Amino acid sequence: DAGVTQSPTHLIKTRGQQVTLRCSPKSGHDTVSWYQQALGQGPQFIFQYYEEEERQRGNFPDRFSGHQFPNYSSELNVNALLLGDSALYLCASSWRLAFYNEQFFGPGTRLTVL
Amino acid sequence: GDSVTQMEGPVTLSEEAFLTINCTYTATGYPSLFWYVQYPGEGLQLLLKATKADDKGSNKGFEATYRKETTSFHLEKGSVQVSDSAVYFCALDSSSGSARQLTFGSGTQLTVLP
Repeated sequence: DAGVTQSPTHLIKTRGQQVTLRCSPKSGHDTVSWYQQALGQGPQFIFQYYEEEERQRGNFPDRFSGHQFPNYSSELNVNALLLGDSALYLCASSWRLAFYNEQFFGPGTRLTVL
Repeated sequence: GDSVTQMEGPVTLSEEAFLTINCTYTATGYPSLFWYVQYPGEGLQLLLKATKADDKGSNKGFEATYRKETTSFHLEKGSVQVSDSAVYFCALDSSSGSARQLTFGSGTQLTVLP
């Protein structure tokens, strides 16, 4: 049973560019959440998708957007990159109807903005 | 809003020492509580959870008890191993409505020396 997978593993971009990160959830899960983890910090919630719609958003600007596909996989897009966007981006999957909010995390994508 | 406060790190212990990592939280109601572990270069793995007051979560020798009266969820292990070296995150389920998200502490780096 494959867990949560993310691609790419590492990415280097320059300021002003745009980036797309991808996530495939654990088998049986229908909900995908994205988190940003700056160096030395805990993950910060960006947004959550299920049924192909954004359901909840954290305190992140509109430059951060996403998408969920019918197979439950998801993309995170960041436009007009800033140096401060450099971080580890984590995808987490879960089952929306689970009684407890237990989320399973992927290995992350390390984004460096120069 | 919801928040999690963890003890400042880093923490350095000798093998077989006793470990305590403090975690307190602020939240409305009685959220589920979690400890996640992050090994170098990897994503987060769920270590243990507790879903109601006085619950004790346990896994791999680690334990944490949900204390409603002190709003705490301290992580303990009686005898740490070198392989326990990692970053530990306390988190709470800050879901509202139909969306489910986790709020994390800033993490505590643990190094265990042989």
